[in-house]
Amino acid sequence: DSGVTQTPKHLITATGQRVTLRCSPRSGDLSVYWYQQSLDQGLQFLIQYYNGEERAKGNILERFSAQQFPDLHSELNLSSLELGDSALYFCASSVVGATDTQYFGPGTRLTVL
Amino acid sequence: DQQVKQNSPSLSVQEGRISILNCDYTNSMFDYFLWYKKYPAEGPTFLISISSIKDKNEDGRFTVFLNKSAKHLSLHIVPSQPGDSAVYFCAASAQTGANNLFFGTGTRLTVIP
Repeated sequence: DSGVTQTPKHLITATGQRVTLRCSPRSGDLSVYWYQQSLDQGLQFLIQYYNGEERAKGNILERFSAQQFPDLHSELNLSSLELGDSALYFCASSVVGATDTQYFGPGTRLTVL
Repeated sequence: DQQVKQNSPSLSVQEGRISILNCDYTNSMFDYFLWYKKYPAEGPTFLISISSIKDKNEDGRFTVFLNKSAKHLSLHIVPSQPGDSAVYFCAASAQTGANNLFFGTGTRLTVIP
């Protein structure tokens, strides 16, 4: 158990809908990262938050947004969903930055029908 | 553009033998490298890392080698055990600039008893 929790574990929805994925980091970790893993792909970095502020942005679509709350949990919002958004979404946390080990949650499997 | 590449999608090794997993990168700004292990239905788990100031880092049965001139790193597992069967991801980051990890597509290791 990495100490990072993600909910829900599975999510099935329809095209055009909006969903929210939630992540609670390990106790004491200030940074939260979101990654997307599509079929047979590596993990693609989406976005990083540090202590409530956006720190780095990767290949995140404009339809996607995230935020980190004062209690340090984070939410990833995916809207106007398309079939191609079906993927595993992982959240990771670390103490501060990328040279600190990132600990991953179990992921949320999103299926868009 | 895949900046971290794992060209072998799978590898099978007999129990007790050495497993060698390879990874290549293209971005010369990368100076911190990690290996993650992933079991089905779980998030990636940190295994071992190496900074670009070193060419070797060892942790028990796991050794990572870094060849900066060739932009290549490898993970050696010796002796391999059936419990090592998993997908192994190579990741890289730059300590300056964006604090995110770039992942390879993974290599599925099967250790045959």
